[in-house]
Amino acid sequence: DTGVSQNPRHKITKRGQNVTFRCDPISEHNRLYWYRQTLGQGPEFLTYFQNEAQLEKSRLLSDRFSAERPKGSFSTLEIQRTEQGDSAMYLCASSLLQVGYGYTFGSGTRLTVV
Amino acid sequence: LAKTTQPISMDSYEGQEVNITCSHNNIATNDYITWYQQFPSQGPRFIIQGYKTKVTNEVASLFIPADRKSSTLSLPRVSLSDTAVYYCLARNNAGNMLTFGGGTRLMVKP
Repeated sequence: DTGVSQNPRHKITKRGQNVTFRCDPISEHNRLYWYRQTLGQGPEFLTYFQNEAQLEKSRLLSDRFSAERPKGSFSTLEIQRTEQGDSAMYLCASSLLQVGYGYTFGSGTRLTVV
Repeated sequence: LAKTTQPISMDSYEGQEVNITCSHNNIATNDYITWYQQFPSQGPRFIIQGYKTKVTNEVASLFIPADRKSSTLSLPRVSLSDTAVYYCLARNNAGNMLTFGGGTRLMVKP
């Protein structure tokens, strides 16, 4: 297993376009998380899944954002009608359910909206 | 979740021991203290986690006093490659999402 994989690594898009990012977690991990990180700030929680169920969504996740995790495996994060303020690094992490187990993050997808 | 406070930045030199202190006055009984390291253009990486007293692994040591209102991450003999942002977090044992603060930017100089 090579860890959490995110694709693409970089995405440049024009304002108003839709973008979709993919995350492949560590295969035996039940939980999958999405975070957003802007320059100089710590990551901010967006949403998380336990298996295929989306259990929590942050208020940061506006109606233009949607996340899915079909069959409890990979996940996608879609942003519709992108805005310049959406420019950020989008990080995915996965973990086991058990207490005391650290989260494993992917390397992120850097989105630039021009 | 308890709010954590840590220095914005620290400088050190190669070979020195670095101690980064984190305050968490409102830590709850169920909270663990967790530290992550982040290099530029990479996701955070789990370093160490503890509940109280001392925890040591191959990378770092974590000291948590009896009152658990603070903790100290100790990095022995740092090298240039330890230059990164270090985040202190309190997480409850339900394993829900992590809440990151601004972290401490450690700069290791030659």
